[in-house]
Amino acid sequence: DSGVTQTPKHLITATGQRVTLRCSPRSGDLSVYWYQQSLDQGLQFLIQYYNGEERAKGNILERFSAQQFPDLHSELNLSSLELGDSALYFCASSPREGVYGYTFGSGTRLTVV
Amino acid sequence: QKEVEQDPGPLSVPEGAIVSLNCTYSNSAFQYFMWYRQYSRKGPELLMYTYSSGNKEDGRFTAQVDKSSKYISLFIRDSQPSDSATYLCAMRGYGKLTFGQGTILTVHP
Repeated sequence: DSGVTQTPKHLITATGQRVTLRCSPRSGDLSVYWYQQSLDQGLQFLIQYYNGEERAKGNILERFSAQQFPDLHSELNLSSLELGDSALYFCASSPREGVYGYTFGSGTRLTVV
Repeated sequence: QKEVEQDPGPLSVPEGAIVSLNCTYSNSAFQYFMWYRQYSRKGPELLMYTYSSGNKEDGRFTAQVDKSSKYISLFIRDSQPSDSATYLCAMRGYGKLTFGQGTILTVHP
């Protein structure tokens, strides 16, 4: 167990729907990162939060949004889902910014049908 | 062109072989270099990290960085079936980690 908790582990939903993925960072970690992993694109950075504030954005679609709450857990919201959004979504955390490596959760496998 | 290039393999070797995994990169801003290991249905876990050019050894694993050539390598000595996983290189610059595609490694008994 890495200490980063992601729920749910699996999610199957229909096109056009909206889902929320949840992440609890490792105890003491202030920074949360979201990544999308698909077979053809590999691990793609979506967005980073630090202590409740958005710090960096990657290739995140406008249909996707995220936030980090005062208790430091984070949620990734995916709306108007398309078949191509099917992927593994990982959350990672680190104690602070500028840390060389992250601790990853086990991911949420999203299947859009 | 991707910032980080990594041959996805797959790579299949017999137990006991020396494995060489490589990545090239194009962004000179990358300062920290890491290797992650990802088992099936799990999240990536940090295996090794290096900052400067040269070698860093940890047990059966050696990470090598050549900044002048923008090339990093991971060597696994005496490979074991338990080393079978996807290995991702990662590089840090401008506050974010950029990952390679990952190389699928299978070590067969």
